[in-house]
Amino acid sequence: NAGVTQTPKFQVLKTGQSMTLQCAQDMNHEYMSWYRQDPGMGLRLIHYSVGAGITDQGEVPNGYNVSRSTTEDFPLRLLSAAPSQTSVYFCASARDQFLTTNYGYTFGSGTRLTVV
Amino acid sequence: AQTVTQSQPEMSVQEAETVTLSCTYDTSESDYYLFWYKQPPSRQMILVIRQEAYKQQNATENRFSVNFQKAAKSFSLKISDSQLGDAAMYFCAYRTTQGGSEKLVFGKGTKLTVNP
Repeated sequence: NAGVTQTPKFQVLKTGQSMTLQCAQDMNHEYMSWYRQDPGMGLRLIHYSVGAGITDQGEVPNGYNVSRSTTEDFPLRLLSAAPSQTSVYFCASARDQFLTTNYGYTFGSGTRLTVV
Repeated sequence: AQTVTQSQPEMSVQEAETVTLSCTYDTSESDYYLFWYKQPPSRQMILVIRQEAYKQQNATENRFSVNFQKAAKSFSLKISDSQLGDAAMYFCAYRTTQGGSEKLVFGKGTKLTVNP
């Protein structure tokens, strides 16, 4: 089925380790983004991209890095994991922001990350 | 900065009854999108309904409808004929492009319980 695919679904890291959360979409969406969800906080934007080669920071970018070499993929890198990065991470994509018909975000199924 | 407030951390409803979830937001923009997302225990974020601010008509999707009051900056979700499968966290979200940063701003969520 078409949609947003995130891997892995679960991950445990030790403090200081690095890793990459993968996100891929097959809907030819221009816009992709990463959110983190913490208890009682809703979802907060980490980084986003409006197209291949273009990325920008969201509300909580510290400790994370992104790149967008293709339209389909938008990986999120944790450079040196900290316990404060324990969270559920969601990747989301959307059509061109200027196309208003049926505008909406499609979310991946999330990655639960625990940093010990 | 845009904010989204969901004043009801938890709500409950009897099966087949109607329930309304509240959402208010703060913005200086005149054109924007509003969304309700459902998050069941599976963690998947599912789009329930969207509303374009320039449309005066309230959006409806089967048993789900909204009461959009632009002047009051209110966007409530009504679920009619509630079903056990409606039990989930519900998030209200506002889509903004202010400051050149495309993002969704989420409320903290309302946990809906459906009693048989």
